[in-house]
Amino acid sequence: AQSVTQLGSHVSVSEGALVLLRCNYSSSVPPYLFWYVQYPNQGLQLLLKYTSAATLVKGINGFEAEFKKSETSFHLTKPSAHMSDAAEYFCAVASYSGNTPLVFGKGTRLSVIA
Amino acid sequence: EAGVTQFPSHSVIEKGQTVTLRCDPISGHDNLYWYRRVMGKEIKFLLHFVKESKQDESGMPNNRFLAERTGGTYSTLKVQPAELEDSGVYFCASSQSSGVGEQYFGPGTRLTVT
Repeated sequence: AQSVTQLGSHVSVSEGALVLLRCNYSSSVPPYLFWYVQYPNQGLQLLLKYTSAATLVKGINGFEAEFKKSETSFHLTKPSAHMSDAAEYFCAVASYSGNTPLVFGKGTRLSVIA
Repeated sequence: EAGVTQFPSHSVIEKGQTVTLRCDPISGHDNLYWYRRVMGKEIKFLLHFVKESKQDESGMPNNRFLAERTGGTYSTLKVQPAELEDSGVYFCASSQSSGVGEQYFGPGTRLTVT
């Protein structure tokens, strides 16, 4: 069975500060990993994905994540937070391909303080 | 290109009533998924269609939930009769069969059962 743990249901950063959202996964098979973002009153938007190619994955809006197999982690980072980054972020895992059901973490709500 | 659309955006019904949610996937996407997020919990998988066939319905909570995808295009999710614990946000997602199969999500339907 697969599972995802997101540490911290709420993270608050100052504008311009580093954003670090943590995600650890459990999977008995090589995983595909995803980060999604949900802005208020919108659906989930794919930020980036890991599909067994490069371990450092760059996504939209300046976000990136690094797959670390030894740590079973896929943490999301952004060097400098912007007010528009305030949203809820979800880490998800799928097996083999994206055409299998996603298993989500509980989500982390990011607040950006001016 | 139009994204995944869902109707209605909100629905408030009384316990015991019936509600039907609709999802229109991205044109050409064979895979269609339903997920649900109950308040305070993680987003959970309900079922997966490949074209008009149910590939995996292991996440359906009980037989009060009925999903259909006639003709392999749009899908409906009917809840009959609705119970209080069915309240939550129902997301639909679609993906292509080729490639990684990354899932594109709709804005969700917020269902409130009173």
